[in-house]
Amino acid sequence: DTAVSQTPKYLVTQMGNDKSIKCEQNLGHDTMYWYKQDSKKFLKIMFSYNNKELIINETVPNRFSPKSPDKAHLNLHINSLELGDSAVYFCASSQLGSTEAFFGQGTRLTVV
Amino acid sequence: GENVEQHPSTLSVQEGDSAVIKCTYSDSASNYFPWYKQELGKRPQLIIDIRSNVGEKKDQRIAVTLNKTAKHFSLHITETQPEDSAVYFCAATSTGGGNKLTFGTGTQLKVEL
Repeated sequence: DTAVSQTPKYLVTQMGNDKSIKCEQNLGHDTMYWYKQDSKKFLKIMFSYNNKELIINETVPNRFSPKSPDKAHLNLHINSLELGDSAVYFCASSQLGSTEAFFGQGTRLTVV
Repeated sequence: GENVEQHPSTLSVQEGDSAVIKCTYSDSASNYFPWYKQELGKRPQLIIDIRSNVGEKKDQRIAVTLNKTAKHFSLHITETQPEDSAVYFCAATSTGGGNKLTFGTGTQLKVEL
């Protein structure tokens, strides 16, 4: 009964490839997020969607494109992967107006 | 935008001692301050939070204090145990601003036997 689940857990790919990470939450939340955690453990928000609409878009290269087919899913597609994209990507969800964010288990992306 | 600073970056204590982690924030509109614990290879998990209308909150061995005037808040862990070893993140957000959490840079806490 995982509340926020993302797949895959590990992703190793070559530079220049395109890859996607999927996220699903079964908490009934209306807001979902993507966070990036780099090698120094810094956690930084990338995107936030509320009811399928983009509400936060930080300064992220346009090679990163989030897609929310419904409020329970938020996927992240990355084009033309670069070495610097290597990080752990966390999906999270919360209820807008509420506060606690629940995180998925993370996807460790390694670009070689 | 919000900027959250966190100190220290690493903290080593003996089992049974107390640990204190401090954070400052810049945006006076921030009104919610959670603390997350992240064990090695795991997801960040909320351990305690505080809202701007409260000065202190306690939950068993952990407590958080907030000084709105000075824009700083702190996490206090008493009677530390080895299982408290983890990276701790403070964060700040305005609940009217899309719930965007701005995280501190993290504190690696090591509790030694």
